[in-house]
Amino acid sequence: NAGVTQTPKFQVLKTGQSMTLQCAQDMNHNSMYWYRQDPGMGLRLIYYSASEGTTDKGEVPNGYNVSRLNKREFSLRLESAAPSQTSVYFCASRTQSGLVTQYFGPGTRLLVL
Amino acid sequence: GNSVTQMEGPVTLSEEAFLTINCTYTATGYPSLFWYVQYPGEGLQLLLKATKADDKGSNKGFEATYRKETTSFHLEKGSVQVSDSAVYFCALSDRNSGAGSYQLTFGKGTKLSVIP
Repeated sequence: NAGVTQTPKFQVLKTGQSMTLQCAQDMNHNSMYWYRQDPGMGLRLIYYSASEGTTDKGEVPNGYNVSRLNKREFSLRLESAAPSQTSVYFCASRTQSGLVTQYFGPGTRLLVL
Repeated sequence: GNSVTQMEGPVTLSEEAFLTINCTYTATGYPSLFWYVQYPGEGLQLLLKATKADDKGSNKGFEATYRKETTSFHLEKGSVQVSDSAVYFCALSDRNSGAGSYQLTFGKGTKLSVIP
């Protein structure tokens, strides 16, 4: 049981380039999330998916798109990267019942030059 | 809207010292409260949680009590170790936020450094 996995771990992009961050979970969770973490800002929600086939905007969605490929996978795409998107990106999924708890992946560190 | 405020860091303590990291919240409903910990170079791990007033969450010697009257969830540990050096995040989850998506609202994090 790997939990939540993310690829890549680290990426450098030039302004205007595109890339997709991958996330997968093997806990059979319905809901998945993408956050970004910036110094002094805590974590901010970019997009989430309450279930397979649905996605919704979070607090800071501009410049990003997401795809919920299936129940396991939730990808985040930067179509035209900007230096302001330099950040650490975390994917999470959550339990369905009882005390709903989110479980986080190890993160992707992105540098946009 | 929902918000979480936690004490500014960084916090530097000597080994075996007492730790308190303050956390207060604002929520429209009846949130669940969490403390997450992030060790250097890693993702966030759930440290402890509480679902209702007067609940006490505990794990690895850390404790926090859900205080509805003061809207607080302060993190405490009686004797910190060097291995506790990390960033600690207070968070809340409210079923009424985000159309039932149980979104987490985070504080900005408090960096703890424990020196031998």
